Amino acid sequence: QVQLQESGPGLVKPSETLSLTCTVSAGSINNYYWSWIRQPPGKGLEWIGYIYYTGNITKFNSSLKGRVSISVDPSKNQFSLNLTSVTSADTAVYYCARRLRRPTFSWFAPWGRGTLVTVSS
Amino acid sequence: EIVLTQSPATLSVSPGERATLSCRASQSVGNNLAWYQQKPGQPPRLLIYGASTRATTIPVRFSGSGSETEFTLTISSLQSEDFAVYYCQASETFGQGTKVEIK
Repeated sequence: QVQLQESGPGLVKPSETLSLTCTVSAGSINNYYWSWIRQPPGKGLEWIGYIYYTGNITKFNSSLKGRVSISVDPSKNQFSLNLTSVTSADTAVYYCARRLRRPTFSWFAPWGRGTLVTVSS
Repeated sequence: EIVLTQSPATLSVSPGERATLSCRASQSVGNNLAWYQQKPGQPPRLLIYGASTRATTIPVRFSGSGSETEFTLTISSLQSEDFAVYYCQASETFGQGTKVEIK
């Protein structure tokens, strides 16, 4: 069964770049879309963006105003998130997840366990 | 942009009772609706996709229904492990969640 694991710094300074990596195990990254989703403490879920395994298809949440990029490395079965110019509003648990789709609907499964990133000086 | 509104925000239910959760979309999403369960300190767990298809290993007491703009998640007989927060999702939008708590 496919498993996902987030990794990266748990503390980032304001105005700097948040960088996380998701490693996919027990399955291939090929032929799927891969997403990042975050959850501020005590709040709901916010979709950040996704990437196709080939790297040529991406989509991002417009509310992040061009601060976000996602890349993929199929040779390592990994994909990564960069979020620039972070503020305290970016403090959240960050999840990676596989996006599955059919012609008329999509969903996210499985999810990584999540990693808390705190933005603070 | 689609907005998903879940109601109620909190649902108090006794074990063994039926729970009905609602998710309303601001515009038609067809059958493009999924439901997730989240317990404290855990990632969301997929329950339902395509509005009514149960995910693998999900107990039959969980069922989803609806289409277009009105959707329902029903838990037929609440078990202790079902007390959690439930989210609906359509495309890249999530609802704000419904917390199911013990009455």
